[in-house]
Amino acid sequence: GENVEQHPSTLSVQEGDSAVIKCTYSDSASNYFPWYKQELGKGPQLIIDIRSNVGEKKDQRIAVTLNKTAKHFSLHITETQPEDSAVYFCAAISKAAGNKLTFGGGTRVLVKP
Amino acid sequence: SQTIHQWPATLVQPVGSPLSLECTVEGTSNPNLYWYRQAAGRGLQLLFYSVGIGQISSEVPQNLSASRPQDRQFILSSKKLLLSDSGFYLCALNEAFFGQGTRLTVV
Repeated sequence: GENVEQHPSTLSVQEGDSAVIKCTYSDSASNYFPWYKQELGKGPQLIIDIRSNVGEKKDQRIAVTLNKTAKHFSLHITETQPEDSAVYFCAAISKAAGNKLTFGGGTRVLVKP
Repeated sequence: SQTIHQWPATLVQPVGSPLSLECTVEGTSNPNLYWYRQAAGRGLQLLFYSVGIGQISSEVPQNLSASRPQDRQFILSSKKLLLSDSGFYLCALNEAFFGQGTRLTVV
């Protein structure tokens, strides 16, 4: 089955700096890679996603890149703000695996004002 | 638009008592529905997923069961709760949308 690893587990950045979270996956059939933001006591919220036919996608201050050959994808947050503080999860999904999401272990991001 | 409703938000149950958590969705038909559990400070563990009425796949052996009596309803149950069943339970719709979760504490 799919295995997704996420690094780092915690990330502390100064407000205004950039944050980068990296994930690797094992199943070459995976074709959809969502990223979620989870605030304390709430469910994860989808913030951006990328499909395997795209190398990069950007939405305002967040961007995601995908390297299919190396089987890794990354989340980039620029000009970080205190409200970006949360736990971020990457995930991978493969239709061949029954459309099941496999999550990374999460990254706790703290943006210091 | 697609919406997902999950309740209750918090629940405290004694060991050995039954459990029933309900998840309902709107704005879609024949969705894929999922139940996840999240231990404190940890990632999400897939418990069950369903691609249609009466179709349930279990990912891990455990004290829990799931049912899908209607297209837009997904229920997580237990006949007798264990202390280890404590956690944050999340219902998800079509891999993209999560409910707000139920924090279950078994005492």
